[in-house]
Amino acid sequence: EVQVVESGGGLAQPGGSLRLSCAASGFTFASFAMSWVRQAPGKGLEWVSTIGRGGDTYYADSVKGRFTISRDNSKNTLYLQMHSLGAEDTAIYYCVKRGIYYFHFWGQGTLVTVSS
Amino acid sequence: QTVVTQEPSFSVSPGGTVTLTCGLSSGSVSTSYYPSWYQQTPGQAPRTLIYNTNTRSSGVPDRFSGSILGNKAALTITGAQADDESDYYCVLYIATGISVFGGGTKLTVL
Repeated sequence: EVQVVESGGGLAQPGGSLRLSCAASGFTFASFAMSWVRQAPGKGLEWVSTIGRGGDTYYADSVKGRFTISRDNSKNTLYLQMHSLGAEDTAIYYCVKRGIYYFHFWGQGTLVTVSS
Repeated sequence: QTVVTQEPSFSVSPGGTVTLTCGLSSGSVSTSYYPSWYQQTPGQAPRTLIYNTNTRSSGVPDRFSGSILGNKAALTITGAQADDESDYYCVLYIATGISVFGGGTKLTVL
């Protein structure tokens, strides 16, 4: 059974940092691209970042230069390192196993709140 | 900046048929954008419905179908049921590694 489980969310100070993790199981992690998608309270879904099987990375303009996506295939784990956090980054962050050109399997999400 | 457009809200009667659309603020949607559709009920994670324009994800009932209608991608729900009341999001793959979500459509079944 495919599973992706996010962790690492919580309260962060404005300007602070946080690292999210996503533990994957039930599939060959190294063979799939992975993404982060977020949803601010009461708002729609927003693509944040994708990492390919080969480690190529892509970012939404809203997070470029502040967020870094990475993966550890030996641990079947996806990461999102977030810096310079602002209130606009408050959201549920979903880890998503990708299909080709689409988001295939979604985790339950982890909540990040940026507030003083 | 690419903006993906969706109807903010739509309503359908139980048993009825509804078509939600997904467009571009500038230009036409084609299969080359590999449109996909996602369903989200309040408090839940999204669920993948349709990918590559018209391929149903595993376990999705065949009353959900995807297509290109004119210059937009479309999601049609045939025989709407009460538990179809959800938010629906489309995504367009606009460049290598880059995906853009539409703003979502809130579907009411009443």
